[in-house]
Amino acid sequence: DAKTTQPNSMESNEEEPVHLPCNHSTISGTDYIHWYRQLPSQGPEYVIHGLTSNVNNRMASLAIAEDRKSSTLILHRATLRDAAVYYCILRRDTGTASKLTFGTGTRLQVTL
Amino acid sequence: DAGVTQSPTHLIKTRGQQVTLRCSPKSGHDTVSWYQQALGQGPQFIFQYYEEEERQRGNFPDRFSGHQFPNYSSELNVNALLLGDSALYLCASSWMGEGESKNIQYFGAGTRLSVL
Repeated sequence: DAKTTQPNSMESNEEEPVHLPCNHSTISGTDYIHWYRQLPSQGPEYVIHGLTSNVNNRMASLAIAEDRKSSTLILHRATLRDAAVYYCILRRDTGTASKLTFGTGTRLQVTL
Repeated sequence: DAGVTQSPTHLIKTRGQQVTLRCSPKSGHDTVSWYQQALGQGPQFIFQYYEEEERQRGNFPDRFSGHQFPNYSSELNVNALLLGDSALYLCASSWMGEGESKNIQYFGAGTRLSVL
């Protein structure tokens, strides 16, 4: 399985942008890049995903490097509710199956 | 619109027992995946069901088995429980059809299993 590497933890001040990096040097051409986040005592929550182009949605932006070996999740204005573990995941689809391989994630702390 | 629901929320078993966990997928979804999350770790893929068949399996022993019903709901069964099976078990559902939402997995809150 292709793996991702993320920093164990990051800190941010409230109302400031946050850039969460992820390396995935063994990504294959058809792997999708997904980001999920998990708050305490909850299941992971889908944030955003992309294949080759940068993506924006109401929660965040995803910037994908041209060689696809790294990506960055961007939270434009962090709030206290954004404090969570953020997982960068590669999704591999094979016929009628699809698999997410989680790493250990980045724990984001947001302070006032 | 109900999301992914799992039952029970908490469960306590003893070593050697068997357990069944249940999952109802999000409306419109046809695929169910199960994950095991140990404390402080990321979720680990157990298996995925689509059209009532196991389509893909992670590195878990045969003690872990599952089932998908015609209404797309699913069960995870674990036999001969070990202390190491204590974890949060997560169910995720997705849509295997075409379109932007294809294969985006949505997770339930999980079942916390404690094996004593």
